[in-house]
Amino acid sequence: GQQVMQIPQYQHVQEGEDFTTYCNSSTTLSNIQWYKQRPGGHPVFLIQLVKSGEVKKQKRLTFQFGEAKKNSSLHITATQTTDVGTYFCAGPNDYKLSFGAGTTVTVRA
Amino acid sequence: DTAVSQTPKYLVTQMGNDKSIKCEQNLGHDTMYWYKQDSKKFLKIMFSYNNKELIINETVPNRFSPKSPDKAHLNLHINSLELGDSAVYFCASSQFPGWPDRQPQHFGDGTRLSIL
Repeated sequence: GQQVMQIPQYQHVQEGEDFTTYCNSSTTLSNIQWYKQRPGGHPVFLIQLVKSGEVKKQKRLTFQFGEAKKNSSLHITATQTTDVGTYFCAGPNDYKLSFGAGTTVTVRA
Repeated sequence: DTAVSQTPKYLVTQMGNDKSIKCEQNLGHDTMYWYKQDSKKFLKIMFSYNNKELIINETVPNRFSPKSPDKAHLNLHINSLELGDSAVYFCASSQFPGWPDRQPQHFGDGTRLSIL
């Protein structure tokens, strides 16, 4: 079945720096969702992208859906310690969401 | 507070035992799910119910049996627990109509199951 591949698996970031995590699919996606899971917590829905080339911003987070709707990215600017956690993308697959493996972010103060 | 709540939060038990995890949502959602998250944080769906009807049943050992008494509750019973069942189990819910895979999912806090 369709899978979403997410890179990198780990991201170690200096506080104040920017980073990007990427999500790729071999097939066209009708939509893509992003979730954040804090250490010891549960996944929390962040955003859903539906349109080709769509860009959405949430404060320091910028989400993008590729023109071909096969990839997506999450860019975080000026990383803070509150950004620590695992970020998942999730795409539809036969009536269910297929989650990427996640990017686990640690921040050096 | 509106939320997805599951109990217990921690479950430590011996191999071979039978255990249940309960989940309730008061968001008014029609669809509920069970996910398993392994030690590498990989999230995999196990089951999904829409308004008490099973709609997704992934390749899960038949030792796992879900039950939905009403659309606000989805429980998970596990027989003959094995070491490999150690994981975090998340309950989630989402609204219907529309494809379940197009609706944001709201997760419970998780049940951390450890098999001794």
